[in-house]
Amino acid sequence: ETGVTQTPRHLVMGMTNKKSLKCEQHLGHNAMYWYKQSAKKPLELMFVYSLEERVENNSVPSRFSPECPNSSHLFLHLHTLQPEDSALYLCASSQEFLGEPYEQYFGPGTRLTVT
Amino acid sequence: AQSVTQLGSHVSVSEGALVLLRCNYSSSVPPYLFWYVQYPNQGLQLLLKYTSAATLVKGINGFEAEFKKSETSFHLTKPSAHMSDAAEYFCAVSVSGGGNKLTFGTGTQLKVEL
Repeated sequence: ETGVTQTPRHLVMGMTNKKSLKCEQHLGHNAMYWYKQSAKKPLELMFVYSLEERVENNSVPSRFSPECPNSSHLFLHLHTLQPEDSALYLCASSQEFLGEPYEQYFGPGTRLTVT
Repeated sequence: AQSVTQLGSHVSVSEGALVLLRCNYSSSVPPYLFWYVQYPNQGLQLLLKYTSAATLVKGINGFEAEFKKSETSFHLTKPSAHMSDAAEYFCAVSVSGGGNKLTFGTGTQLKVEL
């Protein structure tokens, strides 16, 4: 039990669909992250939320839209995706205080396949 | 900007043998270093972290890593491999004031053979 849950675990969607990924953390953290993990590529940081404010957006295409309604929940809204967006999407959480690098705790990921 | 390099995308050891996974970092300021493990179809799990205290860091599952500033290295070791250690291992670096941004290496897949 990592304390970070993600749903769904698997998702297959067409390029014209709209879907959302959900992440919930039960660790009392105040920062949350979305990462993309593709085969043979390093983990790519997509978005960072600290105290429910987006503090990082790593040039992610607008077809990915994050939402952080509170410190425990993080969503990634998906629309008009491309096949190259197929990947494992990982959510993580951590404490954030004055920019100090506390360890991040990861969820199990959502395996996304775009057809 | 900081970065890490993991030498060897695949490492194979025999059960009971020493495990050595290599990580070299680049950072203009003192780094914070992490090792994570990922089992199939799972997220990343923290093995250990270095945060400028003791240079030899002990983690879970019998793993440890030594911070060597002169070599800019943070290699992961385990004296005796077990079949359950087969997984992918990631080294990551961050810095104080970096806003919790972790930069990951490309990972090393560890295979343990009988």
